[in-house]
Amino acid sequence: DSGVTQTPKHLITATGQRVTLRCSPRSGDLSVYWYQQSLDQGLQFLIQYYNGEERAKGNILERFSAQQFPDLHSELNLSSLELGDSALYFCASSVEVAGYEQYFGPGTRLTVT
Amino acid sequence: AQKITQTQPGMFVQEKEAVTLDCTYDTSDQSYGLFWYKQPSSGEMIFLIYQGSYDEQNATEGRYSLNFQKARKSANLVISASQLGDSAMYFCAMRDIQGAQKLVFGQGTRLTINP
Repeated sequence: DSGVTQTPKHLITATGQRVTLRCSPRSGDLSVYWYQQSLDQGLQFLIQYYNGEERAKGNILERFSAQQFPDLHSELNLSSLELGDSALYFCASSVEVAGYEQYFGPGTRLTVT
Repeated sequence: AQKITQTQPGMFVQEKEAVTLDCTYDTSDQSYGLFWYKQPSSGEMIFLIYQGSYDEQNATEGRYSLNFQKARKSANLVISASQLGDSAMYFCAMRDIQGAQKLVFGQGTRLTINP
């Protein structure tokens, strides 16, 4: 158990819908990262937050957004969902903004039908 | 841009044998970190080992060691005395220490340990 929690574990929804994925980092970790794992794209970095501020952005679609709240939990919002958004979404956390150990949560498996 | 290449899509090894998973990387950065993660069939990503670009000695963590050859830009994972529970996907990743904090992953190697 990495100490990072993600909810829900599984999510099935229809095209065009909007979903919110939630992540709670390990106790004491200020940095949260979101990654997407799909069969065709592999594991890709989406976005990083540190202590409530956005720090780095990767291949995140405009339909996707994220935020980190004062209690340090983070949410990834996916809207106007398409079939291609079906993937495993990971949240990871680290102590520092440049923490070398990123601990991953169990992931949320999103299926868009 | 940083790039990780894992050339072995799948590997089959007998239990108790040592196994080496290949990883080569490409970066123009001087400061970077290299990581290996294990992803069992249950899906979670488990951190295994880390090597900094300035570390002079190869990293070791229990049965895992990282064979770091900077000049050849390789960071192979060595698992000694493999166990059935080692069957999983293994991902090599790197991160620019100075700049963006994202991890860049390779495509992974599926390791199967046979009894």
